[in-house]
Amino acid sequence: EVQVVESGGDLVQPGGSLRLSCAASGFTFSNYGMHWVRQAPGKGLEWVSGIGGSGDDTYYADSVKGRFTISRDNSKNTLYLQMNSLRAEDTAVYYCAKGGGGYVDSWGQGTLVTVSS
Amino acid sequence: QPVLTQSSSASASLGSSVKLTCTLSSGHSSYIIAWHQQHPGKAPRYLMKLEGSGSYNKGSGVPDRFSGSSSGPDRCLTISNLQSEDEAAYYCETWATNTRVFGGGTKLTVL
Repeated sequence: EVQVVESGGDLVQPGGSLRLSCAASGFTFSNYGMHWVRQAPGKGLEWVSGIGGSGDDTYYADSVKGRFTISRDNSKNTLYLQMNSLRAEDTAVYYCAKGGGGYVDSWGQGTLVTVSS
Repeated sequence: QPVLTQSSSASASLGSSVKLTCTLSSGHSSYIIAWHQQHPGKAPRYLMKLEGSGSYNKGSGVPDRFSGSSSGPDRCLTISNLQSEDEAAYYCETWATNTRVFGGGTKLTVL
């Protein structure tokens, strides 16, 4: 059974940093692209970042480009999101998502990031 | 890049059918999309992949009541024999080089 489990969400001050992790199991991790998708309180889904199976290709939404870095450790079946220079508008539940044939086909349960002083 | 347009809300009666539409922007009418369901306070759930031909592949455990269809730029999710547990938000998703896009979501109310 495919499973992705996020961790690392917390309350952080504006301008601060945080690293999210996503532990994957039930599939050959290195064969699949992975993504981070977020959802601000009461809002819809927003794609944040994606990474290819090897980790060589990374992609970012304009809203986080230059502040967030996605990476993966295929030996540990783990996806990461390093978030720097956090802003109030980054407050959201962050979901780890497995890429299927281009689309998301599995979701984690989410981890809450709150940016506030 | 593509843009996906969804109605913000829909409603239908218990036991009836409802069709939710996701419309691709001009120049992107051939794109494949995916549908996701999200209950309040829960993580999204993948429902199906839907091609421009109308062919669809559902995720594991998705009931037969859920089906997909396409017409031009419209990608539709039909839910038959509506149940109370179908009350949720429904999002469509597509992707292009170096990006992916979600529609704004349709909140479905079962009356």
